[in-house]
Amino acid sequence: DQQVKQNSPSLSVQEGRISILNCDYTNSMFDYFLWYKKYPAEGPTFLISISSIKDKNEDGRFTVFLNKSAKHLSLHIVPSQPGDSAVYFCAASNAGNNRKLIWGLGTSLAVNP
Amino acid sequence: KAGVTQTPRYLIKTRGQQVTLSCSPISGHRSVSWYQQTPGQGLQFLFEYFSETQRNKGNFPGRFSGRQFSNSRSEMNVSTLELGDSALYLCASSLANGKNYGYTFGSGTRLTVV
Repeated sequence: DQQVKQNSPSLSVQEGRISILNCDYTNSMFDYFLWYKKYPAEGPTFLISISSIKDKNEDGRFTVFLNKSAKHLSLHIVPSQPGDSAVYFCAASNAGNNRKLIWGLGTSLAVNP
Repeated sequence: KAGVTQTPRYLIKTRGQQVTLSCSPISGHRSVSWYQQTPGQGLQFLFEYFSETQRNKGNFPGRFSGRQFSNSRSEMNVSTLELGDSALYLCASSLANGKNYGYTFGSGTRLTVV
């Protein structure tokens, strides 16, 4: 049972445009969400996070939006750059399970020059 | 400061053998988590150790085990290897102080079982 779902395995966008990566979750107890980026042959690196008390968090070109009623979050990258091409993982946690991270399967983003 | 170090980077084993992977967390990080990554299954959580105690465990068979030492370094062991155990094994460390939930990952150990 996939509690965190990234329904798009891949996404392709043009350089300079917006990339929108989506993530849905089923557990209403999740209260903290993170996005990680992973290049081939490397471990994932932390990108941005959001607490459930917020609906938006911004860090440079990266913004995460949280819609708790829809149990949906999205990562916006504006403007997209070729170096953003990577696999993006969404993860969620809650205090009830010792903050164990539950991961989505990832979305592979390709930014074309 | 040094990142999370995993050794070895690559490993080839034959079916039935056992393997031990090592992870040295960032200095000061007391939590170490292990993940298995395969193309079709994404990141699958194996277990988490905190202060030498297993705090969380994923849904893997008992062939997968781990431990954490007093210096927070961790090892995971897989016994009686199967072809399906071929994967990238990732270790992640965090402060786990209740305020910082960000995990820092190592580059992983690529295990191939033949």
